[in-house]
Parts: sequence; structure tokens; C-alpha cells
Amino acid sequence: GAVVSQHPSWVICKSGTSVKIECRSLDFQATTMFWYRQFPKQSLMLMATSNEGSKATYEQGVEKDKFLINHASLTLSTLTVTSAHPEDSSFYICSASFSRGGNSYNEQFFGPGTRLTVL
Amino acid sequence: AQRVTQPEKLLSVFKGAPVELKCNYSYSGSPELFWYVQYSRQRLQLLLRHISRESIKGFTADLNKGETSFHLKKPFAQEEDSAMYYCAPPSRAPSGGSNYKLTFGKGTLLTVNP
Repeated sequence: GAVVSQHPSWVICKSGTSVKIECRSLDFQATTMFWYRQFPKQSLMLMATSNEGSKATYEQGVEKDKFLINHASLTLSTLTVTSAHPEDSSFYICSASFSRGGNSYNEQFFGPGTRLTVL
Repeated sequence: AQRVTQPEKLLSVFKGAPVELKCNYSYSGSPELFWYVQYSRQRLQLLLRHISRESIKGFTADLNKGETSFHLKKPFAQEEDSAMYYCAPPSRAPSGGSNYKLTFGKGTLLTVNP
């Protein structure tokens, strides 16, 4: 259980175009979804946190207009990289969590990631 | 802000040898800490959290408040333990409640040689 998928698994696009990446929780309703990026041989960096039906909360230094996040349902969040440039090439990973109630931390379940290459 | 340091970028041991992956934290309050693991070509997954005090795949981690450490240990490493390990403290997400966000350490790549 608790499977998260991402689509596409990889994408190559031309500079200046926009790319949409989907993150789906397949067998649970995700109250919160997270988007990370990971450069080669580096750690994951949280980009933003999103809750269904509300605006995403971006981490410091992440451009909201550049990385548009939509969390339209409890099973789907999308990340759109607008006007992509070569420096946006990276591995984008989403995760999802659901509330179990109580005050303990909800485990995050990670997607397999999407490799974006901007030419 | 919650921060962790994983001083070793690479760690190589032989099969059957003990292994310790270091993680030091520096923040106030009662810390919560997780260890995440990423095996080759697989997605990131939770290995263990300190509050559960459980052993997963033979790994344990004890929170040492005096040394501000949460080192991951295994007495006898196996080849299948080769992976990238991340220490991560959670912090409350903006939505509050029990949702949290993770700040990952830089990770340690463990290689267990036959």
C-alpha cells in the first residue's frame, strides 16, 4: 500500500517551453504532497508543500511563478516548470502523506522521480 | 532551524563488518529524526524513526542528546545494504497538524564489498 507514481519518468524539452509533471497517490488520499528537486550527486531539496484545494507553500529561494504547483484533488498534484531553461534540468521527486490522526508525524511516501532535461 | 550534518559522503565496508553512518543535529527543542534510504534505481523510503525505537533490516539508531547525534548502526553489514542513506529531521508543515516537511542531510553512500 501507499504507492506514489510520477509521470512522466523522464522528459526532454526545448528551452523556453513548459513541462508538466504529475504526482499521484494510487491507493490512498494524500492530504499533503511535497515536491523536491535533486541535482546529480546531491541531496534532495524541498521546493514546496501543497495541500489539496489550497495554494502551495514554497521554500525560500524557489520561484513561485517558475514552478507552478496545483493540488486539485486528494490524489493528484502537478508541478509545471514554466519557460524551462537548461539550469532547470534536474531530478524532480514528489512525496505524499496522509493524516493518521494524533500528533505523530505522518510518513511521506515517495514517487520514483522525473528526470527533466532542458536542451 | 533544524539542521543535520552527515560528515561522510562515502563509506565503504566489507561484508560482515560493523557499519556506522554518522548524523549530527543542531537545533533546540525535542528533536525528531528519521533515516531514509535509497537503494540503486529505487525510490526513497523511510528506514526508521527514532521515536519508534525499532530495528529495521538490522539497523538501529539511538538518539544521543548529549552528543547531539543519531548515528545509524548495523553490527554485520550485508551487500544488499549498499545504498544512499539520508538523515532527516522533520519540521511541521505550514498546514500544521501532523503534516511535516523534511530537510535532508547531504547523505552518505554506503558500499558493502563482498
